[in-house]
Amino acid sequence: NAGVTQTPKFQVLKTGQSMTLQCAQDMNHNSMYWYRQDPGMGLRLIYYSASEGTTDKGEVPNGYNVSRLNKREFSLRLESAAPSQTSVYFCASSEGSGEAFFGQGTRLTVV
Amino acid sequence: GEDVEQSLFLSVREGDSSVINCTYTDSSSTYLYWYKQEPGAGLQLLTYIFSNMDMKQDQRLTVLLNKKDKHLSLRIADTQTGDSAIYFCAESSGNTGGFKTIFGAGTRLFVKA
Repeated sequence: NAGVTQTPKFQVLKTGQSMTLQCAQDMNHNSMYWYRQDPGMGLRLIYYSASEGTTDKGEVPNGYNVSRLNKREFSLRLESAAPSQTSVYFCASSEGSGEAFFGQGTRLTVV
Repeated sequence: GEDVEQSLFLSVREGDSSVINCTYTDSSSTYLYWYKQEPGAGLQLLTYIFSNMDMKQDQRLTVLLNKKDKHLSLRIADTQTGDSAIYFCAESSGNTGGFKTIFGAGTRLFVKA
């Protein structure tokens, strides 16, 4: 039982490049989330998906897009990376308002 | 919008009690959580409390909820060096149409031997 798996673990991008962060969960959860973690700012919600086929903006959606590919997978895309998007990105899943299970994080640096 | 605030740092001596405080704004929160993050890892649930409770005890952990003041606290008794981590307060609200969880900035707990 892997829980929440994120790939890649580390990534360095040049300004303007694009990339997709992948996330998959094997707990049959309906809700999935993408957060970014910056020093002193805690976890900020980028996008979430309450169920397969739906996505909603969180607190800091600008510069990102998401796709809920199926119940298991929720990807986050940066179309044109900017240095301000240097952060640690966490994917999480939960069932309703229950416990959120987190992936190990993706450390992204944009130069 | 929803907001969760907590102090950024706390330093205690080994064996003392630690108290981490949090305030939140969403009065419709149904669950309030404490998560722990160790270096280089994701967050893991430590404990939670339903919004209709005012206290929950789980071994060395005591959670107090003052719903009127929207104040949540986590007390760790007999703090150990292994408790050094970042502790996040979080609130979850929503309905069958969807839920979302909002986190505070995290309190970094330093435990001095």
